[in-house]
Amino acid sequence: EVQLVESGGGLVQPGGSLRLSCAASDFTLSSSWMNWVRQAPGKGLEWVANINQDGSEKYSVDSVKGRFTISRDNAKNSLYLQMHSLRAEDTAVYYCVLGRKHGWLLDYWGQGTLVTVSS
Amino acid sequence: DIVMTQSPDSLAVSLGERATINCKSSQSVLYSSNNKNFLAWYQQKPGQPPKLLIYWASNRDSGVPDRFSGSGSGADFTLTISGLQAEDVAVYYCQQYYSTPLTFGGGTKVEIK
Repeated sequence: EVQLVESGGGLVQPGGSLRLSCAASDFTLSSSWMNWVRQAPGKGLEWVANINQDGSEKYSVDSVKGRFTISRDNAKNSLYLQMHSLRAEDTAVYYCVLGRKHGWLLDYWGQGTLVTVSS
Repeated sequence: DIVMTQSPDSLAVSLGERATINCKSSQSVLYSSNNKNFLAWYQQKPGQPPKLLIYWASNRDSGVPDRFSGSGSGADFTLTISGLQAEDVAVYYCQQYYSTPLTFGGGTKVEIK
């Protein structure tokens, strides 16, 4: 069974930075697209960014362009999200999501890590 | 961007009855070269991450009970729960994976009447 474990969330001040990590077990991430999806408290789902198997293709939602960077280290079987210039509206649970059947189909989800942007 | 619109926002259904959720996309998510609809449905229970239920608009994911079914094509889709069970209380989301940015519907909360 695929297990995805996110870490790195926490409380950060507006304008600050944070780096999220996602580690996989019982699955080799290098064979799949990976995604970050977030969910603000009590709200719906918002896709944030994704990256292909070798990191040569990356896409992101407009609201995070220029502030967030998705990356991966296949040797460490890990996915990352570097977040800069954080805003209150970035407050959310961030999920690491695997696209195994199809890169942009979100078929395995981690438990999420909470990012709170507040002074 | 493709806008996904779900209806209703919430519904209450008696145990054993049918629940129907609709999802419309602002443009077709049917890819003509393979005749597949790039539309998925997810279930999210309180305190849990979402879980994939349906992909390619009508394919049940592994382990998903057959009371869950997806239908539709192009820009109009439906998720049907035939014979609602107590464990089906959740929020359901549709999502298009036809183009980036990947987008979700606003969610439909299903409760027991």
